[in-house]
Amino acid sequence: SQELEQSPQSLIVQEGKNLTINCTSSKTLYGLYWYKQKYGEGLIFLMMLQKGGEEKSHEKITAKLDEKKQQSSLHITASQPSHAGIYLCGADNSGTYKYIFGTGTRLKVLA
Amino acid sequence: NAGVTQTPKFRVLKTGQSMTLLCAQDMNHEYMYWYRQDPGMGLRLIHYSVGEGTTAKGEVPDGYNVSRLKKQNFLLGLESAAPSQTSVYFCASSYGEGYNEQFFGPGTRLTVL
Repeated sequence: SQELEQSPQSLIVQEGKNLTINCTSSKTLYGLYWYKQKYGEGLIFLMMLQKGGEEKSHEKITAKLDEKKQQSSLHITASQPSHAGIYLCGADNSGTYKYIFGTGTRLKVLA
Repeated sequence: NAGVTQTPKFRVLKTGQSMTLLCAQDMNHEYMYWYRQDPGMGLRLIHYSVGEGTTAKGEVPDGYNVSRLKKQNFLLGLESAAPSQTSVYFCASSYGEGYNEQFFGPGTRLTVL
């Protein structure tokens, strides 16, 4: 079955620094979703990528899906304390609607 | 518009007790999902439903049952709770077929002693 691997598992950066989180799939992605989870709360949708080579941005967060549709990256520019939380990538497991998620990347931004 | 709500927020059970977690959504979504989140394991799909009256097994269905009698509600039942079911449970919903994001509830923190 399909698996999603995220790296790094955790990240501590100084405010104002840029950072990148990666999500790698064992199979071709049918749709790749990025979510953010604040500690102790539910997940909030950030962006969805469908097509190979697609790139989307929202405020200071940019997500890309590679041409082969097996890897996605989430890039945060000029990080702020408000960016802290757990970032998870999710995907539709080989088109079955049984969604799978990566184990998450814990981000801490030091003021 | 409340989105996705979950009841209760916290619960402590003794081994062998039963309980039902309720998920409700007011967005007229077709699809609904139950996940559990454990440290180091990420989110794992327990059961899901693609419409009223339908349910299907996810990745970790053992020890759980679900029902979707009404479109807006998705119930998760534990018939005989075990310590291994201590977790945070999240419900989610989405519009349906096609590429669309899931909307998540705030979670239920369950401890089984």
